[in-house]
Amino acid sequence: EAGVAQSPRYKIIEKRQSVAFWCNPISGHATLYWYQQILGQGPKLLIQFQNNGVVDDSQLPKDRFSAERLKGVDSTLKIQPAKLEDSAVYLCASSLEGGETQYFGPGTRLLVL
Amino acid sequence: SQQGEEDPQALSIQEGENATMNCSYKTSINNLQWYRQNSGRGLVHLILIRSNEREKHSGRLRVTLDTSKKSSSLLITASRAADTASYFCATDPRMDSSYKLIFGSGTRLLVRP
Repeated sequence: EAGVAQSPRYKIIEKRQSVAFWCNPISGHATLYWYQQILGQGPKLLIQFQNNGVVDDSQLPKDRFSAERLKGVDSTLKIQPAKLEDSAVYLCASSLEGGETQYFGPGTRLLVL
Repeated sequence: SQQGEEDPQALSIQEGENATMNCSYKTSINNLQWYRQNSGRGLVHLILIRSNEREKHSGRLRVTLDTSKKSSSLLITASRAADTASYFCATDPRMDSSYKLIFGSGTRLLVRP
């Protein structure tokens, strides 16, 4: 079974530029999560989708971050404009609807200069 | 906000020794999970323990949960160099109908050959 796919794996941008990350969850997983993991910390949930609807985006900085999950499968997370403090690993995870275990992708490491 | 706090933040042991990591959390939970993260990779689910369980085993892993103290411990027996990773506890607070995890800050384990 294929795992959660993410791209790109690494991205370096300058502040005020925009960037987008892509995630393809495990087939059949209705729930998709985006996390931000700053160096030395645990992952922090940014947004949770159930199919193509948003369940929780309370910790998403909506002035600069946006995410969508069209057709309830793939998802993209965008940052515009990026700030230095956005440097982090962005992890995508998926789970079955009602599933308690989350399956993580390898992450996208973002460096904002 | 981070719900769980792991202790110690870092642990260095010799191969073959046991490693114990502790996690404390703040609110009532439905379950507590432990994840492993190898350097530069995504998180891998290790074990889940429900709030009505006190102890659970999986291979060389043993997890305990004390809901009265809001704490959990993860024991890795007969450690191997391949166990070198960061270990995170994650709690499912079940504040609403959605399944979400709140991660702690992690314990970095180094197993010396």
